[in-house]
Amino acid sequence: QQQVKQSPQSLIVQKGGISIINCAYENTAFDYFPWYQQFPGKGPALLIAIRPDVSEKKEGRFTISFNKSAKQFSLHIMDSQPGDSATYFCAATIFQGAQKLVFGQGTRLTINP
Amino acid sequence: ETGVTQSPTHLIKTRGQQVTLRCSSQSGHNTVSWYQQALGQGPQFIFQYYREEENGRGNFPPRFSGLQFPNYSSELNVNALELDDSALYLCASSAGGSWGYTFGSGTRLTVV
Repeated sequence: QQQVKQSPQSLIVQKGGISIINCAYENTAFDYFPWYQQFPGKGPALLIAIRPDVSEKKEGRFTISFNKSAKQFSLHIMDSQPGDSATYFCAATIFQGAQKLVFGQGTRLTINP
Repeated sequence: ETGVTQSPTHLIKTRGQQVTLRCSSQSGHNTVSWYQQALGQGPQFIFQYYREEENGRGNFPPRFSGLQFPNYSSELNVNALELDDSALYLCASSAGGSWGYTFGSGTRLTVV
């Protein structure tokens, strides 16, 4: 099953709050889990990524939590700012002749000032 | 150091026509992948080129084809365009063996 399921589809958070986006997968062959941020009219930009042998990774205000046994991972954005308003995609990589990115459906995040 | 550049930025084509989209990879990157992003969806893998050879393909029909040139730039060709081909087409480059992809801003294709 080469799917990554992402929720919620949209999220509204007040400035200074915590934004949480969740993803789940089935294929245990996935070997890397990046998160991408996409602004309108732009391509996705890598935000943060984690390997499945690590349970948490933090970079500034962004944290990935990874639960290998549950096949779930999540992105937490602390102290959310209006400039964080964008669409966020979780993804997973798999090698099948080529290294492919399998993306979730995306979450449109709006931070209200 | 330049990033990934794609051209054109926008394109309108008629159903049944053919289209060619172009991508210049980031300096030092020898692998190029193409993705299709329908409105409100996540990008879907089309194919990847490494050393001018296609080395992986997603669930796209043969009318989607590509090329990679010796300077690692790439083209995506789509024949017999269908309305459902309307999407943002993204090019991503990486250094061979690395998963660290850099995406371009994409080409918005509209098929009418």
